[in-house]
Amino acid sequence: GDSVTQMEGPVTLSEEAFLTINCTYTATGYPSLFWYVQYPGEGLQLLLKATKADDKGSNKGFEATYRKETTSFHLEKGSVQVSDSAVYFCALSQSGGYQKVTFGTGTKLQVIP
Amino acid sequence: GAGVSQTPSNKVTEKGKYVELRCDPISGHTALYWYRQSLGQGPEFLIYFQGTGAADDSGLPNDRFFAVRPEGSVSTLKIQRTERGDSAVYLCASSLGTGKQSEQFFGPGTRLTVL
Repeated sequence: GDSVTQMEGPVTLSEEAFLTINCTYTATGYPSLFWYVQYPGEGLQLLLKATKADDKGSNKGFEATYRKETTSFHLEKGSVQVSDSAVYFCALSQSGGYQKVTFGTGTKLQVIP
Repeated sequence: GAGVSQTPSNKVTEKGKYVELRCDPISGHTALYWYRQSLGQGPEFLIYFQGTGAADDSGLPNDRFFAVRPEGSVSTLKIQRTERGDSAVYLCASSLGTGKQSEQFFGPGTRLTVL
């Protein structure tokens, strides 16, 4: 079945540092890929998505590129802020039909001033 | 407008009891999903509704779990004879449609604790 593997946390960075959170997936066909974010005390929110190979999703300074050859969708941000502290989930859904989402285990990011 | 709401926000029950968890989707959203998130894990799919019918219940762990959506809006997840292993955050999400571009919007979840 489909699965998502992401780097374990927690990840602690200083403000303005560069962020990478690795994510790889196993799936048949051509899934859509997502990054969701869960801020403290809040519900899951879609951060960005990519629906086909080589697409780049971006939002709030975060980026991720759909790499089919390496089955990866790594999340990056050039300069993190304290407000980026949250748990980040990589996820996928199969195309067609509906979007049952398969999530990774989440990576907790803490940004310190 | 209002987002997805879930009640109660917290539920503590004893092993063997019956519980109901409610989800109010965003108005007009036809698709509704339930997920379960155990501590330190990502959400796991339980069931999906399109309108009133359960289009996919393959994620329900066993027959103690059941969900309904009788009028195509509010949904209730029902758990019979609760076990300690059922303790988790139960998330509900809704989407406008089910096409590839349709985003799921998540509620804040119900934290269920089975003592």
